[in-house]
Amino acid sequence: AQKITQTQPGMFVQEKEAVTLDCTYDTSDPSYGLFWYKQPSSGEMIFLIYQGSYDQQNATEGRYSLNFQKARKSANLVISASQLGDSAMYFCAMREGYMDSNYQLIWGAGTKLIIKP
Amino acid sequence: NAGVTQTPKFQVLKTGQSMTLQCAQDMNHEYMSWYRQDPGMGLRLIHYSVGAGITDQGEVPNGYNVSRSTTEDFPLRLLSAAPSQTSVYFCASSSPRTGVSYNEQFFGPGTRLTVL
Repeated sequence: AQKITQTQPGMFVQEKEAVTLDCTYDTSDPSYGLFWYKQPSSGEMIFLIYQGSYDQQNATEGRYSLNFQKARKSANLVISASQLGDSAMYFCAMREGYMDSNYQLIWGAGTKLIIKP
Repeated sequence: NAGVTQTPKFQVLKTGQSMTLQCAQDMNHEYMSWYRQDPGMGLRLIHYSVGAGITDQGEVPNGYNVSRSTTEDFPLRLLSAAPSQTSVYFCASSSPRTGVSYNEQFFGPGTRLTVL
């Protein structure tokens, strides 16, 4: 079974609109972490935001926020006021277990986001 | 800091050839890993290392070897290249940071490998 599912292969969004990228996950481990990475057309992987399973509040980093719904096992990335430079592939990834005992990440297939001017 | 560096950026091999993809990091990170990225799929872990002298297999290790003789370097060896190994290869490194509850992975720029 897929551990990380990103159901949107591609999305078109008008510039300045907010966009939500979906990510659902599957784990039986009570301790886990969820990461979002951005991959522009240049190919590098850029870390965006992190949410730990025990974090009480949803993570935010500038225009990025994470809509974490633990009971539904979803960790959707929200980008506010989208910009043309947000056009990229976006990947959701999960680490199971504690941070200092497991560095391995399980990755979703990604969502290609295109921002229209 | 150069971060994570990978060489070469591009490589074309013939079936059966061997080669080594180089990866180095200058952040003194304990953890290093190799991924491959194929179209329509997320990154898949090939091999990883939690420190010098320690390596382990990931999800797709067949056809690849690694070694970690120093903290800085983590080369990936293709023993006998096959067309199925055509992919983009990423090296990443990570380590715990004081005051931060997570350990994000830092990625190299990738190596695009084509096996004919």
